Amino acid sequence: KAGVTQTPRYLIKTRGQQVTLSCSPISGHRSVSWYQQTPGQGLQFLFEYFSETQRNKGNFPGRFSGRQFSNSRSEMNVSTLELGDSALYLCASRGGVLNTEAFFGQGTRLTVV
Amino acid sequence: AQSVTQLDSQVPVFEEAPVELRCNYSSSVSVYLFWYVQYPNQGLQLLLKYLSGSTLVKGINGFEAEFNKSQTSFHLRKPSVHISDTAEYFCAVRYFPNFGNEKLTFGTGTRLTIIP
Repeated sequence: KAGVTQTPRYLIKTRGQQVTLSCSPISGHRSVSWYQQTPGQGLQFLFEYFSETQRNKGNFPGRFSGRQFSNSRSEMNVSTLELGDSALYLCASRGGVLNTEAFFGQGTRLTVV
Repeated sequence: AQSVTQLDSQVPVFEEAPVELRCNYSSSVSVYLFWYVQYPNQGLQLLLKYLSGSTLVKGINGFEAEFNKSQTSFHLRKPSVHISDTAEYFCAVRYFPNFGNEKLTFGTGTRLTIIP
């Protein structure tokens, strides 16, 4: 069974640009969450989607958005990139909202220059 | 609000020695507790989890953790570490149940370095 797949693995963008990251959850999983990991702030929750609906959202500005498609694949978008958005972005999938275990992808390393 | 405290940011340990990585959480309701490991340039891998039942839980790679409700702690232990255990370890908490507001809250991580 394939794990959580995140693409691309590495990305370099310029300040002011926008970026879209993709996450394909484990087959059959309907819940996808996104986290930002930085040396200064650690792992912070961005949002969670279940069956194409956002269930929960962390404390990030509106420049951070996401969506989930009918096949459970998810994308997150960051507009008007800032230097501080440089981070490892991790996606996690769960079988359902009552399923306890989250499986993480390898992440997308975003560098903003 | 949930918070998770990992008391040690870095822990150096000699190979084959025992190790304990400490984790405390704040919550007035029941929780699920997890330990994850992260190797360089990788995502997070689940080591073990506590949902209910026995307070001593065993995980992969010889790790175990003990849930202590009165002290709101969930310390991770391994009796004999190997070089391959060098990694960053994260403690995480999920409220149970809080339908519609579930998320993993992570500690700041403990970097475990094994000294040959």
